[in-house]
Amino acid sequence: AQTIHQWPVAEIKAVGSPLSLGCTIKGKSSPNLYWYWQATGGTLQQLFYSITVGQVESVVQLNLSASRPKDDQFILSTEKLLLSHSGFYLCAWSLTGGGYEQYFGPGTRLTVL
Amino acid sequence: QQQVRQSPQSLTVWEGETAILNCSYEDSTFDYFPWYHQFPGESPALLIAIRPVSNKKEDGRFTIFFNKREKKFSLHIADSQPGDSATYFCAASDGAGNTGKLIFGLGTTLQVQP
Repeated sequence: AQTIHQWPVAEIKAVGSPLSLGCTIKGKSSPNLYWYWQATGGTLQQLFYSITVGQVESVVQLNLSASRPKDDQFILSTEKLLLSHSGFYLCAWSLTGGGYEQYFGPGTRLTVL
Repeated sequence: QQQVRQSPQSLTVWEGETAILNCSYEDSTFDYFPWYHQFPGESPALLIAIRPVSNKKEDGRFTIFFNKREKKFSLHIADSQPGDSATYFCAASDGAGNTGKLIFGLGTTLQVQP
């Protein structure tokens, strides 16, 4: 069975500081991977998607970047946090080759002060 | 511009009643329509999904009704239970290009009163 793990579980960071969030998925070969952001009480906004190692596409510009250094790993980062970056960051996966069902990881809650 | 509209914003039903949550979309290229539910403090979980080849999909107490002509779909939760209290999100996707782009509605907060 596939498992998806996100780290850290929660972060409190200062405005202007760097950030790195991670996601790994086990038990599924070459999945599509996604990053989502959810403001408190808000909806889900897709940020990035990746269909293969080393290839990441941006969906919205939020002064964030993403990378996929390994088949099972997806990283979200920024060099300078803004207050508006606060929220719930979710990694998701789906089958590649047109599979639509997306499954979310447990998420990372980020507070920027 | 909200491509997927969801209503109502909040809904309260009594235990045992059927809760009806509605969504509509604009882009006729959308071909996959999932519903997720999210409990406080947790991540969203896929509940049920439909593709336009069908106008109805059932899974236990959960049923999606789909109207391609009117670009609407709804989630019916039969025999609602207090444990169904959560926020429900509908979404829509265009499968072209294998991008997996999902556009979510703003959510409906469902409260089931015992």
